[in-house]
Amino acid sequence: GQNIDQPTEMTATEGAIVQINCTYQTSGFNGLFWYQQHAGEAPTFLSYNVLDGLEEKGRFSSFLSRSKGYSYLLLKELQMKDSASYLCASRDSNYQLIWGAGTKLIIKP
Amino acid sequence: GAVVSQHPSWVICKSGTSVKIECRSLDFQATTMFWYRQFPKQSLMLMATSNEGSKATYEQGVEKDKFLINHASLTLSTLTVTSAHPEDSSFYICSATAGTSGSSEQFFGPGTRLTVL
Repeated sequence: GQNIDQPTEMTATEGAIVQINCTYQTSGFNGLFWYQQHAGEAPTFLSYNVLDGLEEKGRFSSFLSRSKGYSYLLLKELQMKDSASYLCASRDSNYQLIWGAGTKLIIKP
Repeated sequence: GAVVSQHPSWVICKSGTSVKIECRSLDFQATTMFWYRQFPKQSLMLMATSNEGSKATYEQGVEKDKFLINHASLTLSTLTVTSAHPEDSSFYICSATAGTSGSSEQFFGPGTRLTVL
């Protein structure tokens, strides 16, 4: 079957670092995406990994281990505006995205 | 670049009426468009995938006669919710891809909030 697991909710402090984990089981794995979604808005693209390793993009980094079916999104120097849901999605061999339920990240001052 | 628009952004209608939602790719040709539905505090649920000029592929459990999808051009797809009922109230989001392989990401529209009274 195809499945995505990520924590439901996480809390972190402004200025700190947080890591959001995602595990997946996908037929014909063809890439792992992270999206950010603020309440009431559509998702916005954050990162894409298809090879093992870490992709860094400013304050956000994403890691992938295909052998472990595992990815994480790392957010550094957290800002209040980072409070949002973070969606992990894997792409299968049909180029279709399988979405996780999202991790609601709460940033506290 | 890669902007997707949706219209309307929100709509309120009476039960039994039909509502059409438009999804447009403004600066690229979308080979594939996706329609999602998202209920409060839940993740995106893919409803259907459509390619220009062909019939949409619906996900299991999605009634194709109730949710009519037309992808008449490479820049426009429409979703019509026929005979809407209160349980159809949701956030409907479309996305589009420009490529068929590689890192072609989905670009999302801003979403349409449908409320059926």
